[in-house]
Amino acid sequence: GESVGLHLPTLSVQEGDNSIINCAYSNSASDYFIWYKQESGKGPQFIIDIRSNMDKRQGQRVTVLLNKTVKHLSLQIAATQPGDSAVYFCAERDPGNQFYFGTGTSLTVIP
Amino acid sequence: GAVVSQHPSRVICKSGTSVKIECRSLDFQATTMFWYRQFPKQSLMLMATSNEGSKATYEQGVEKDKFLINHASLTLSTLTVTSAHPEDSSFYICSAGGSLSYEQYFGPGTRLTVT
Repeated sequence: GESVGLHLPTLSVQEGDNSIINCAYSNSASDYFIWYKQESGKGPQFIIDIRSNMDKRQGQRVTVLLNKTVKHLSLQIAATQPGDSAVYFCAERDPGNQFYFGTGTSLTVIP
Repeated sequence: GAVVSQHPSRVICKSGTSVKIECRSLDFQATTMFWYRQFPKQSLMLMATSNEGSKATYEQGVEKDKFLINHASLTLSTLTVTSAHPEDSSFYICSAGGSLSYEQYFGPGTRLTVT
């Protein structure tokens, strides 16, 4: 199967600081990527997506960067808030429309 | 955005019984629905992909006779865990795909505990 992994399984940041969560993917043919946020006991929530023909996409307080050369994806959260504490997953979609999820990074925001 | 619901949110059942979990797309038609299983502190594991009106496609290692999936309409898919055992206890999450192939919206999940 595919392999989508995260470099850091846990991340703690001070409230107000910026957070960066990284993800490595394995299929160079993957054409679409999504970041999800999952709070305890809940289903994943869509945060932001990016297609392979882009290298950067910005949302509200979040930015996703895609580096296809090294097959790396990152999620940047500006001015991290306590409500941002959750597990963050990246997902890639392969040409067969199959999604593969990373193992997740647990983000803890310290007030 | 699109809303996907799951019912029940939590269920406790005795070993040997069957449990049905429903996944509904509330404001869009879902041609494809996915069922995932998630263990504590782990990622989502795809169990099967179901397309409306056809048989589900199961991932390797997932028993199709144990995890029965029905996708009878464009807004409803069901997962039935038959003859449940304690090791089936898990968080089950569905997602639904919209008319555009890259959309995937997740339900809130169902916590199954088998005693």
